[in-house]
Amino acid sequence: AQSVSQHNHHVILSEAASLELGCNYSYGGTVNLFWYVQYPGQHLQLLLKYFSGDPLVKGIKGFEAEFIKSKFSFNLRKPSVQWSDTAEYFCAVNGGANNLFFGTGTRLTVIP
Amino acid sequence: NAGVTQTPKFRVLKTGQSMTLLCAQDMNHEYMYWYRQDPGMGLRLIHYSVGEGTTAKGEVPDGYNVSRLKKQNFLLGLESAAPSQTSVYFCASSRHNYGYTFGSGTRLTVV
Repeated sequence: AQSVSQHNHHVILSEAASLELGCNYSYGGTVNLFWYVQYPGQHLQLLLKYFSGDPLVKGIKGFEAEFIKSKFSFNLRKPSVQWSDTAEYFCAVNGGANNLFFGTGTRLTVIP
Repeated sequence: NAGVTQTPKFRVLKTGQSMTLLCAQDMNHEYMYWYRQDPGMGLRLIHYSVGEGTTAKGEVPDGYNVSRLKKQNFLLGLESAAPSQTSVYFCASSRHNYGYTFGSGTRLTVV
């Protein structure tokens, strides 16, 4: 079975701090990996995705993620967060199933 | 604008009542999904469909039924609502089995 773990439940940062959110998945085969963001009161929106090729993928709003196959990880990073990045972030994986498997989410609070 | 539309956006039900949530997409997507989102539990798949006329159970299907009579619509039914079904429900659609487009959600409270 596929599963996704996000170990950081709530992260609090000051503006301009660097961000790294952890995501680990369990699936031994080829995977597609995603990060979604949910701003307060809104639906999930795609931040970035990895299918194949360069393991460092860049998404919208300055976010990037690195796929490390040996560690089954797909961590999300941003060099300098802004107050507007306050949101909940979800990692998701698809390893050939008919659907995505989501992690439990990480709530990010950025203090001005 | 193209996308996924969910109706209603809010609903309060009494225990035992029934209701249907409608999801409509105009992107000609084959795959459609119903998830529920609860605090600290992320998104859990209720049911999904890989094409018109097909449905399948997800992770938490009990207490829900679905139908996909038309490709663009995916209905989620609660036959006898329970307080445990208080949640935010999201519909999503995709051309493949990834790359979802989400609806704006339905906040359901069962009292």
